[in-house]
Parts: sequence; structure tokens; C-alpha cells
Amino acid sequence: NAGVTQTPKFRILKIGQSMTLQCTQDMNHNYMYWYRQDPGMGLKLIYYSVGAGITDKGEVPNGYNVSRSTTEDFPLRLELAAPSQTSVYFCASRAGSPGYTFGSGTRLTVV
Amino acid sequence: AQKVTQAQTEISVVEKEDVTLDCVYETRDTTYYLFWYKQPPSGELVFLIRRNSFDEQNEISGRYSWNFQKSTSSFNFTITASQVVDSAVYFCALSEANGNKLVFGAGTILRVKS
Repeated sequence: NAGVTQTPKFRILKIGQSMTLQCTQDMNHNYMYWYRQDPGMGLKLIYYSVGAGITDKGEVPNGYNVSRSTTEDFPLRLELAAPSQTSVYFCASRAGSPGYTFGSGTRLTVV
Repeated sequence: AQKVTQAQTEISVVEKEDVTLDCVYETRDTTYYLFWYKQPPSGELVFLIRRNSFDEQNEISGRYSWNFQKSTSSFNFTITASQVVDSAVYFCALSEANGNKLVFGAGTILRVKS
């Protein structure tokens, strides 16, 4: 049982490049989330999904897109990367009750 | 809107001291959940506790204890006899009753010196 798996763990992007952060969970959780953590700050919600085919914006969605074609996967797409998107990205999932399982994070640097 | 405030940016203590991390929250919901997470230097988020708004009993787990007071909208976390391994960033968080939109405080950096 792997829990929530995020890939890659580290990535350096050049300004204007695009990439997809992968998130997979094997717990059959309906709810999935993407958060970003800026240095010295708490986590902020980017997007979330309450089930396959359903996504919604969180607090800081600009510059990102998501899709949820399966229960297991919730990729986060960055288009036209900007230095302001340098952050650590956490994916999380949960079943029906409020108890989140977090992935180990992806550290992204945009230069 | 929901909000979590951790007023202590950084705390330094000497090993074996007790330390309390403060958390104050704001919400208009009558049903909500409160959480504490630990983020060690390795970066992962470690779940410590979840408390729902109807359960105001204090909880103790080993050297950890939590004091939930709805009257003051606080959910404070105490580590007794701190150890170097307790050095980490600690986050308090709040979610709606349906569990969506977990809102985090800015975190408190705890440094425990030997």
C-alpha cells in the first residue's frame, strides 16, 4: 500500500516551460487535493477534486490546471512556468471523513 | 472565511523543557475539524491529531497533549519534556464539516537544542 505517490520529487524549470506534476493514490479515495507551500508559509489549496470528472478551484488556482479522469490520478499542469511558481507542491487524498493523507511533495524551482 | 493564526513564528527551547504551540482559528461553521501536522526537516507532513468541533476533551498522547477551547477559538499543542527529534515545523489546520478546503496556519518552527 503506497498511499499517495508524487513524481517527480525535484524539478527545475525554465521560465515559460510547462510540466505536469503527477499524483497517484491507491487507497480508492474520492477526494484529492493539490497544495503549494511557499518558503516559511503554510500550505495553500490550488485545486481539489471530489471524484473522477469533478474538479474545483482552491485559493490559488491561477497558472495551474488539473484533470481527474480516474479515481487514482490527479495530475497538476503548469503552463508557462513563472518564478512565482517556485514552491513545494503537495498532493493529498482522503476518503469520506476529514483525514488527509499527504504525498511526500515535489520541490519545483523556476529559473 | 476560515482562518488559522499561529502567532509564534519560531520557538527555541532546551531539551527537556515543556513547550506550547498556540493556534487560534476563525470560522462561522458550527461543525468543523481541527488538525495538527508536523513537518520535520525531511519535508513530509506527519499527521498528529484531528479534533471535531463537538469534542472539547483534551487529549494526551505520550509527550503530546492538546487543549481545545471553543470559547477562545484555540487549539493549543503542548510537548512535554521536549527532545531534539521534536525539532520541526508544526502546522495547525482547520477544515469545513465536509472535510474540504483544509486551511493551514503559517506554521511554528520549533528548535530543540541539546
